[in-house]
Amino acid sequence: AQSVSQHNHHVILSEAASLELGCNYSYGGTVNLFWYVQYPGQHLQLLLKYFSGDPLVKGIKGFEAEFIKSKFSFNLRKPSVQWSDTAEYFCAVKGPYNTDKLIFGTGTRLQVFP
Amino acid sequence: NAGVTQTPKFQVLKTGQSMTLQCAQDMNHNSMYWYRQDPGMGLRLIYYSASEGTTDKGEVPNGYNVSRLNKREFSLRLESAAPSQTSVYFCASSEVTGGGYTFGSGTRLTVV
Repeated sequence: AQSVSQHNHHVILSEAASLELGCNYSYGGTVNLFWYVQYPGQHLQLLLKYFSGDPLVKGIKGFEAEFIKSKFSFNLRKPSVQWSDTAEYFCAVKGPYNTDKLIFGTGTRLQVFP
Repeated sequence: NAGVTQTPKFQVLKTGQSMTLQCAQDMNHNSMYWYRQDPGMGLRLIYYSASEGTTDKGEVPNGYNVSRLNKREFSLRLESAAPSQTSVYFCASSEVTGGGYTFGSGTRLTVV
């Protein structure tokens, strides 16, 4: 079965630090990949997605992610975090057999201190 | 505003009680989903509906039933609530062609 691994469970940074959150998936075929963000007390919102083409994907709020097929990875990056980036971040991969089911990782909690 | 609407936002149940969580979307999406979110476990799929009239089990369907009433509405029912079902429940919808999900604002359910 397809799975998604997020290695960092809890990340603490100071404002202006750079961020990289890891995401690895298990499926070897064509994949669609997503990063979602959940701000405290809110629902999940789409940050960015990769379907095909340029493996470097730019999303909202200065986030980007790079799809590296050989490493089965889709890491999320931001050059300089802000306090307002404090949230939980979820990586997700579209399931096999042409369904729209998304399989989510367990999430990474990011805390940014001023 | 277009989106996914869930009701109620909060609910406390006693063990053994039943309830239905409601979800409606106005984006004409074909696919709808119910997830539960628990600390350290991410989101786990309970049931999904690829189109009106069809439903399928997800990763954690035990103790739940669903109804895809029409294209807009997808409800989740707990027939006999258990403390293990204490969780935050999210409904979501998507287009068949993908593009990610649109999530509702969630229902925080506590079973005592």
